[in-house]
Amino acid sequence: KNQVEQSPQSLIILEGKNCTLQCNYTVSPFSNLRWYKQDTGRGPVSLTIMTFSENTKSNGRYTATLDADTKQSSLHITASQLSDSASYICVVSVTGFQKLVFGTGTRLLVSP
Amino acid sequence: NAGVTQTPKFQVLKTGQSMTLQCAQDMNHEYMSWYRQDPGMGLRLIHYSVGAGITDQGEVPNGYNVSRSTTEDFPLRLLSAAPSQTSVYFCASSYRGGTGANVLTFGAGSRLTVL
Repeated sequence: KNQVEQSPQSLIILEGKNCTLQCNYTVSPFSNLRWYKQDTGRGPVSLTIMTFSENTKSNGRYTATLDADTKQSSLHITASQLSDSASYICVVSVTGFQKLVFGTGTRLLVSP
Repeated sequence: NAGVTQTPKFQVLKTGQSMTLQCAQDMNHEYMSWYRQDPGMGLRLIHYSVGAGITDQGEVPNGYNVSRSTTEDFPLRLLSAAPSQTSVYFCASSYRGGTGANVLTFGAGSRLTVL
């Protein structure tokens, strides 16, 4: 069964600290992996998309890694800001973009 | 550009009532889709469309109808609302072509409560 599991479910960190969110998947065949940020009351917004051959991709203070062999991805947030408080959703594409498997998300709270 | 616009943002229905959630995009995206988001679950695909006049079922289509008469609009109809349809609904769109790694643009969501 195609599944995407994220950990931790929730996380509280102090402003300015770094954090890493984890995503494990059992999706096959793998096409690409995406990280989305969802602010409270808003729709998800794409942060990165990684294909099979990409190990690392950065978007400002966000850095995503992908290990296709172990089927794991991480999202590292550097020097966190209050605006980083949101849910972060890992999404894996099976074939094309219609077949997307969504994780349940990690809820991050950055505290002043 | 407005992106993906959903209306209404909030709606309360009684069991058995019908309603339509509206979705419009101004990016000339061929692909449009509807998801529902429930606590503790990932987003689940309800229906999708790869172009005007073409629709298909997703993972959880029962109780919902869609149509795609124009590229811009993709309304979601609830025929006879049930409490199990209480959820937050998201419309999303993207370009259809390319390698398949097209980014979905989501609307702000419509929160529906069925009493």
